[in-house]
Amino acid sequence: AQSVTQLDSQVPVFEEAPVELRCNYSSSVSVYLFWYVQYPNQGLQLLLKYLSGSTLVKGINGFEAEFNKSQTSFHLRKPSVHISDTAEYFCAVTHDYKLSFGAGTTVTVRA
Amino acid sequence: DGGITQSPKYLFRKEGQNVTLSCEQNLNHDAMYWYRQDPGQGLRLIYYSQIVNDFQKGDIAEGYSVSREKKESFPLTVTSAQKNPTAFYLCASSIGGTVQETQYFGPGTRLLVL
Repeated sequence: AQSVTQLDSQVPVFEEAPVELRCNYSSSVSVYLFWYVQYPNQGLQLLLKYLSGSTLVKGINGFEAEFNKSQTSFHLRKPSVHISDTAEYFCAVTHDYKLSFGAGTTVTVRA
Repeated sequence: DGGITQSPKYLFRKEGQNVTLSCEQNLNHDAMYWYRQDPGQGLRLIYYSQIVNDFQKGDIAEGYSVSREKKESFPLTVTSAQKNPTAFYLCASSIGGTVQETQYFGPGTRLLVL
């Protein structure tokens, strides 16, 4: 069975500092990988996804992620965060016909 | 504006009562999904539908039922058999239902038990 592990449940960070959110998955087959963001009391919105090609994927709002097949990881990064980046972030990996989501990482940006 | 609407925003259920959550999309997407979100557990798939009049169970379908009579609508009923229904419910859609497609989410319905 597919599993997705987000290694940090909470990440506090100061405004304009960099942030990295870690995601590891278990799979013996090729997968597609996604990062979604959820602002308080809202639905999820796609930040970026990896389907094939370049392992460095750029998304919206200045986020990027790197697919590392040997380490089965898909870590999300942003070089300088804003207060508005305060949200919950979900890593998701394809498994058969559906997405498996990680438990989420809450990012709190402080001034 | 195209998008997904869910109603109501908050819903209260009494013991033994069935309640129905609404999900409507005007994106002309073929596929629709229902997820349950609990704190610290991410999202879990309840049901999905790739075409009108057809749907499949997800990982946690017990105690839930759905219908897909129209392309734009995918209501979810939480039945009395669901013993722990308190959660945030998210509806999503995608163009064709293939696994690499982006899913677009509604704003969610929070269900609480009285």
